[in-house]
Amino acid sequence: EVQLVESGGGLVQPGGSLRLSCAASGFTFNNYNMNWVRQAPGKGLEWVSYISSGSSTIYYADSVKGRFTISRDNAKNSLYLQMNSLRAEDTAVYYCAREGEAVADYWGQGTLVTVSS
Amino acid sequence: DIQMTQSPSTLSASVGDRVTITCRASQSISRWLAWCQQKPGKAPKLLIYKASSLASGVPSRFSGSGSGTEFTLTISSLQPDDFATYYCQQYNSYSWTFGQGTKVDIK
Repeated sequence: EVQLVESGGGLVQPGGSLRLSCAASGFTFNNYNMNWVRQAPGKGLEWVSYISSGSSTIYYADSVKGRFTISRDNAKNSLYLQMNSLRAEDTAVYYCAREGEAVADYWGQGTLVTVSS
Repeated sequence: DIQMTQSPSTLSASVGDRVTITCRASQSISRWLAWCQQKPGKAPKLLIYKASSLASGVPSRFSGSGSGTEFTLTISSLQPDDFATYYCQQYNSYSWTFGQGTKVDIK
């Protein structure tokens, strides 16, 4: 069974940093591209970042470019999102999502990031 | 960037109703369109990919159609478990873009 479990969310002050993790199991992690997608409270889904299976290709949404860094450790079956210079508008549930058939075919349960003073 | 527009934003329906949701892309995305379902407090779940391919384990009452800029998701006979929010997603170019969502609630 495919499982994606996010962790690392919490309350952080504006300008602060946070590192999210996503532990993958039930599939061959190093065969799949991965993504982060977020959802602000009561709002829709917003793609955040993409990393290819071997980390050679990385993309970011304009809203996080220069502040967030995606990475992965295939030996540990883990995906990461380092978030710096956090803003109130970054408050959201952050999901990791596996890419299959070019879409998000499996999602984690999400981790809540709240940016507030 | 490609923009995705869903309609309606909210849809009230009864169990057994046929339900159709529309998604329009700001430019052609061929058939690179997916639909997912999200229930409150839960992660989204993939229903349809490549405009009309049913994801594994998804009931056959769900179907998708369209190409280019206009797409539809149809639920042939709405079931109690189907009351949720539905999102379309394009993946023709990086990045992914989602529609704003359509909430299907009980009439």
